[in-house]
Amino acid sequence: KQEVTQIPAALSVPEGENLVLNCSFTDSAIYNLQWFRQDPGKGLTSLLLIQSSQREQTSGRLNASLDKSSGRSTLYIAASQPGDSATYLCAVKGGDDKIIFGKGTRLHILP
Amino acid sequence: EPEVTQTPSHQVTQMGQEVILRCVPISNHLYFYWYRQILGQKVEFLVSFYNNEISEKSEIFDDQFSVERPDGSNFTLKIRSTKLEDSAMYFCASQSGTAKNIQYFGAGTRLSVL
Repeated sequence: KQEVTQIPAALSVPEGENLVLNCSFTDSAIYNLQWFRQDPGKGLTSLLLIQSSQREQTSGRLNASLDKSSGRSTLYIAASQPGDSATYLCAVKGGDDKIIFGKGTRLHILP
Repeated sequence: EPEVTQTPSHQVTQMGQEVILRCVPISNHLYFYWYRQILGQKVEFLVSFYNNEISEKSEIFDDQFSVERPDGSNFTLKIRSTKLEDSAMYFCASQSGTAKNIQYFGAGTRLSVL
């Protein structure tokens, strides 16, 4: 049974710093991995999706990597801003077509 | 860009009442899903739907829940007799093809059971 773990559960960093969020998953037989952003009480905003054949994806200040064999992904945020404060969710999709989510990392950027 | 639309954004109901949450998937998509997120917890898979029938459902999706695609465009989740513990954010998603394709999520409906 696929399990997705995100570490740390919460993170506070000063504005302007670069940071890395971690995600691990137990079953490497995935089709893709997706990073979402969720603001308090709001929906899911897809940030980056990495197909199983890819190693990384970039969008602006965000870079996500995937190491399928070791069951790990990282989300790198460069030059963090207060507007980046949110919960970041990692989610993997397997052959059974379900998406399994991690609990998220709650990020707080200090002005 | 096409998007999945969910209505209402917030639904308040009394315990024991029936609720219907509505979703309009992306128009050429064939696979449809409901997920649930209880406050402070993980987003969890509820059910997948293809070709007018349920493909898979989780242990959460008991007899109180049902899904249907009544008119070829809407995709609904019905909870027959709501309980306090059904209070959560419900997300609809749709996908154009098989597992390799991306699931697109709606903004969610917040259900509050009083």
